[in-house]
Amino acid sequence: GAGVSQSPRYKVAKRGQDVALRCDPISGHVSLFWYQQALGQGPEFLTYFQNEAQLDKSGLPSDRFFAERPEGSVSTLKIQRTQQEDSAVYLCASSLPRDSPLHFGNGTRLTVT
Amino acid sequence: AQKVTQAQTEISVVEKEDVTLDCVYETRDTTYYLFWYKQPPSGELVFLIRRNSFDEQNEISGRYSWNFQKSTSSFNFTITASQVVDSAVYFCALGLKTSGSRLTFGEGTQLTVNP
Repeated sequence: GAGVSQSPRYKVAKRGQDVALRCDPISGHVSLFWYQQALGQGPEFLTYFQNEAQLDKSGLPSDRFFAERPEGSVSTLKIQRTQQEDSAVYLCASSLPRDSPLHFGNGTRLTVT
Repeated sequence: AQKVTQAQTEISVVEKEDVTLDCVYETRDTTYYLFWYKQPPSGELVFLIRRNSFDEQNEISGRYSWNFQKSTSSFNFTITASQVVDSAVYFCALGLKTSGSRLTFGEGTQLTVNP
């Protein structure tokens, strides 16, 4: 497909479990972003990659959150020891270099029970 | 710090009515970008428009139009002759030149268009 692909679409985790969320950006897109969207809220920035370099991770809420993009394409957002407050939709977006509009995936809805 | 305010949490209209979604932003930067995104129930954020801070010309695209006014720090979005398919959550967002494509989103406006 031509769009940003995220998997899984839904994830239920028990509190304390680790989860990994995957993002396949649009081919050729240099920039990749992760956003967290709580229910009824706007998306909030988590982290940003340019190719394989993580240039901004200031939005990650705690050290339990970790993101990587080792080959500059697919990215994984990992959350360790999940907590109930981590329940949200995690959106991935990609774009051409700076200032280009973001193209978002459908997101992964994480529910921590 | 940047902030985007969408004061209208929910709007409900009847098909064919015109509707305006309000957006007010705050930033100290002089170079910035403003965006509108549509989020249908499927969850994907669909890009609608981007304007830069130096271009205050209003824009029209089909039934959609945008009114950018720097004097009031507003970037409002009007849908003319609304349709049921326009029902979605609409987000206004602000991006700074200095932070690449990192966006600050408003809390969104849920638009429901009833037949």
